[in-house]
Order: sequence, then structure tokens, then C-alpha cells
Amino acid sequence: GQQLNQSPQSMFIQEGEDVSMNCTSSSIFNTWLWYKQEPGEGPVLLIALYKAGELTSNGRLTAQFGITRKDSFLNISASIPSDVGIYFCAGRVTSGTYKYIFGTGTRLKVLA
Amino acid sequence: NAGVTQTPKFQVLKTGQSMTLQCAQDMNHEYMSWYRQDPGMGLRLIHYSVGAGITDQGEVPNGYNVSRSTTEDFPLRLLSAAPSQTSVYFCASSRTQNTGELFFGEGSRLTVL
Repeated sequence: GQQLNQSPQSMFIQEGEDVSMNCTSSSIFNTWLWYKQEPGEGPVLLIALYKAGELTSNGRLTAQFGITRKDSFLNISASIPSDVGIYFCAGRVTSGTYKYIFGTGTRLKVLA
Repeated sequence: NAGVTQTPKFQVLKTGQSMTLQCAQDMNHEYMSWYRQDPGMGLRLIHYSVGAGITDQGEVPNGYNVSRSTTEDFPLRLLSAAPSQTSVYFCASSRTQNTGELFFGEGSRLTVL
């Protein structure tokens, strides 16, 4: 099935550094969602984006809906150890279907 | 604040056995769905429902059945378990089929021997 290309696959960073990750697709989306998942838990919704060019923040997290509607970006500023986890993007196609396509995730590790 | 509740959290089955994964939400959400999560792959949609009495197939429906007799509950049935169905299963819901925000349960880890 169709999947989003999410990059990078993993990141090791020092505490205090900023983090950037992105998702790209060959399909146009009308919604982008960003999730964080910790071991043994379900994905937790971080940010939802609904319009091309939209920039939305949630604390130290900022996400953008790409103007081509085929990509999205997530930035984490001043990372802390509890940011560790897997970050997923999800895109919803514009064809009227009620289905989301999920990225394979970016595994983030923060070194104190 | 229960949100989306899944049971059981862990299950081990033998090949050929059947079982039901339960999902309940207390947010009066119309839209409910089941995903499976496998290493190296994004979440894949199994079945979904846009309201009580309405279900439809997702990307990987074979070997699974669903029903939606109430707004709150959306059980996933494995008819004859196979090792390929070893996975982590997530139930997710949103207010309506057109509402963007999708909320997940904590998952059910299934192992088929």
C-alpha cells in the first residue's frame, strides 16, 4: 500500500539541540497530523494541520503544511530527554476517502 | 478521561484460533478504525466505520471482520489466526469522518504461534 516517505529514520542529538524531520508524498493531502509514540503506548496526537502553508505550534513543537500539499515538516526546539520516542506523520488524501496514510516514523534519541 | 480503550493489551493465540479485540470510545465519535503496526512499516488500515451500522474495508482487511452495532464499540474479530497476523493493533477514532484529529488507543499486542 501507499506510504509516506519520512526522514530521517533516526536521529541522535544532544539535549538542547533543535530537531527537524519531514514527510513527503506523491499524493496531495488535505490534512497532516503529527504523532509521538513511546514504547508500549499508542500514538499521541501532537499537531494537526489543515491548510497549505499553515504553521502551527504546540509548546516547543512547530509543524508546517507544505505549500505543495505533498509535504509537511516538524521541528522540535531545545530538545529535552523526554522528547525521546518515535514521531509519525499522517496524511489524508483529498479524494473524499476517510483514510490516512502513515509515515514509517523518525526515532529520536536525546543524549543528556 | 478514558478516550479510546482497547482490550486485551496482550494476547497469544495458536494458529487457527479465533478471538476478538475490543475497542470502546467514550467521546461520542462517529468515526472508528483499526490499524496494525508492523516493524519498518507505517500504520496500515484494516477496517473502518463512519457510524453505527456502517463499516468498510481498509488497506489490509483479509482475515479480519468488524461490526459497529453501537457508536461506542468497534470490535475486531480474527476468524482463524495466522502467524502473519502477529502485530500490534491500534483502534483510533475521530469526531466525524471529516474531522481531522484521529485519537488512538494504547494498542493490543497479538502473537500467533
